[in-house]
Amino acid sequence: DAGVTQSPTHLIKTRGQQVTLRCSPKSGHDTVSWYQQALGQGPQFIFQYYEEEERQRGNFPDRFSGHQFPNYSSELNVNALLLGDSALYLCASSFFNSYNEQFFGPGTRLTVL
Amino acid sequence: AQTVTQSQPEMSVQEAETVTLSCTYDTSENNYYLFWYKQPPSRQMILVIRQEAYKQQNATENRFSVNFQKAAKSFSLKISDSQLGDTAMYFCAFMKGGTASKLTFGTGTRLQVTL
Repeated sequence: DAGVTQSPTHLIKTRGQQVTLRCSPKSGHDTVSWYQQALGQGPQFIFQYYEEEERQRGNFPDRFSGHQFPNYSSELNVNALLLGDSALYLCASSFFNSYNEQFFGPGTRLTVL
Repeated sequence: AQTVTQSQPEMSVQEAETVTLSCTYDTSENNYYLFWYKQPPSRQMILVIRQEAYKQQNATENRFSVNFQKAAKSFSLKISDSQLGDTAMYFCAFMKGGTASKLTFGTGTRLQVTL
């Protein structure tokens, strides 16, 4: 049973560029949540997708957007990258219609130069 | 809004000893869940233990146990018989009850297990 997978593992971009990160949820899960983890900090919730719609959103600017596909996989897009966007981006999957733990992927390390 | 506070940035324990990591939280919710996650250098966030707020009994998973004090809004993690593989960042997290909800994390405690 494949767990949560994310790609790419590492990414280097320059300020002003755009980036797309990808996540495949654990088999059977229908909900994907994205978190940003700055160095030395705890993860911060960005947004959550279910049924291809954004269901919850944290305190992040509109430069952060996402998408969920019919197969439940998800993308996180960040436009107009800033140095402060450098972080580990974590994807977590779960079931929407009942409490269930969130399973995390290994993350994508984004460096903005 | 919920907040989670971990006041110990770093801790060290010798192998085979016991260590307790502290966590406090603030919420007006009555239905919620609390978690401890482990993040080793490999970066993969792994669930260590969870506690349902409506349960009075403290959760236990092998060498890991919690002391859940609902009135005090305290949720500490005790690791018994510490092993070198326990070396990691440990995050306390809160989730509101109901359908899938977001996790609110603390700032973490870096635990080093030494020989």
